[in-house]
Amino acid sequence: AQSVAQPEDQVNVAEGNPLTVKCTYSVSGNPYLFWYVQYPNRGLQFLLKYITGDNLVKGSYGFEAEFNKSQTSFHLKKPSALVSDSALYFCAVRAEGGNQFYFGTGTSLTVIP
Amino acid sequence: EAQVTQNPRYLITVTGKKLTVTCSQNMNHEYMSWYRQDPGLGLRQIYYSMNVEVTDKGDVPEGYKVSRKEKRNFPLILESPSPNQTSLYFCASAARGVSYEQYFGPGTRLTVT
Repeated sequence: AQSVAQPEDQVNVAEGNPLTVKCTYSVSGNPYLFWYVQYPNRGLQFLLKYITGDNLVKGSYGFEAEFNKSQTSFHLKKPSALVSDSALYFCAVRAEGGNQFYFGTGTSLTVIP
Repeated sequence: EAQVTQNPRYLITVTGKKLTVTCSQNMNHEYMSWYRQDPGLGLRQIYYSMNVEVTDKGDVPEGYKVSRKEKRNFPLILESPSPNQTSLYFCASAARGVSYEQYFGPGTRLTVT
């Protein structure tokens, strides 16, 4: 079975500090991994993806994520958090050759001024 | 402007009264999908479509129908809604290729009483 786990429902970080939002996955074969952000009363917006190649991928708004195959993880990171980063973050996976997406339960990030 | 639109944005209905939520995209995307978002459960895929006249079940298809008669439209049909279908629904589209980076609509909040 394919799945995504986001072990933290809530992450709080002070403005200017680095942030990490965790994601682990389970998929048959090679994974295609994604991070999306959801602001209140809005749809999801794409942040970044890992398909192949460099394990560190960079995305929108200064976010990056590191793919770790041995730990089946794809943690989202940002060196310096902004108050405007406060939102709900979703990790998603699709298996190579598959057409179905699996999303995590979401992590609510609050950046404290 | 590239976008995915959904209508209606909000809907309150009664058990058993058939309803349709429309979804349209203007990006000529082949892939379209419906998700429901529930607290603590994240996003779960209901149905997806790889192209016109090609649809497939996601993780939670029970109680839903879809059709893809035109490339731009992918309506979600609830023939006999029940209270457990009260949820926030998102439509998404993506160009077929390696990554399937999805664009999401603004969401439809459905309440079934």
